[in-house]
Amino acid sequence: GENVEQHPSTLSVQEGDSAVIKCTYSDSASNYFPWYKQELGKRPQLIIDIRSNVGEKKDQRIAVTLNKTAKHFSLHITETQPEDSAVYFCAASIGSNYQLIWGAGTKLIIKP
Amino acid sequence: DADVTQTPRNRITKTGKRIMLECSQTKGHDRMYWYRQDPGLGLRLIYYSFDVKDINKGEISDGYSVSRQAQAKFSLSLESAIPNQTALYFCATSDFQTDGYTFGSGTRLTVV
Repeated sequence: GENVEQHPSTLSVQEGDSAVIKCTYSDSASNYFPWYKQELGKRPQLIIDIRSNVGEKKDQRIAVTLNKTAKHFSLHITETQPEDSAVYFCAASIGSNYQLIWGAGTKLIIKP
Repeated sequence: DADVTQTPRNRITKTGKRIMLECSQTKGHDRMYWYRQDPGLGLRLIYYSFDVKDINKGEISDGYSVSRQAQAKFSLSLESAIPNQTALYFCATSDFQTDGYTFGSGTRLTVV
């Protein structure tokens, strides 16, 4: 079946450095790729998304890039801050009904 | 603000009991989902519904059932709760090609 692989499962970076999380998807028809942030004990919340007709999207310190040929997309966080510590999930749409299939999540730890 | 509300927020129940988790939304979305999240793990889809007359099994539907009472309400039932159903349960909503899913605050269920 279709799947999304997410790496790494845990990422520890020094405050102020950049963090990159990568996802690979299997369905070549996928055309919507959101990223969610889940803080400890909270609900997942959408932080940025990208559609297949765009190669890159930025929102302040967060950016997402998409390589349709290679079927992978990445989340980039620059100038990391303590409040960036959370679990991040990627997802990709599947099928004509735009359901999402989820990556397993990346725990991002920001070291002071 | 339009939102997704889950009740109860926390519940402890005994093995063998039937329990219902409820989800209501004011976002006007057609699609509703139930996910399960175990500690340190990702989101696993239990059931989903694209409208009031539509119910679909997800990847882990065994031991669960759902009811879509209205566009705004989607309930998850555990027919006979067992300890390995102890988890954090999230309801989510979306609309066709909307910008991602909106999650409820979650229900933390403990089966003893």
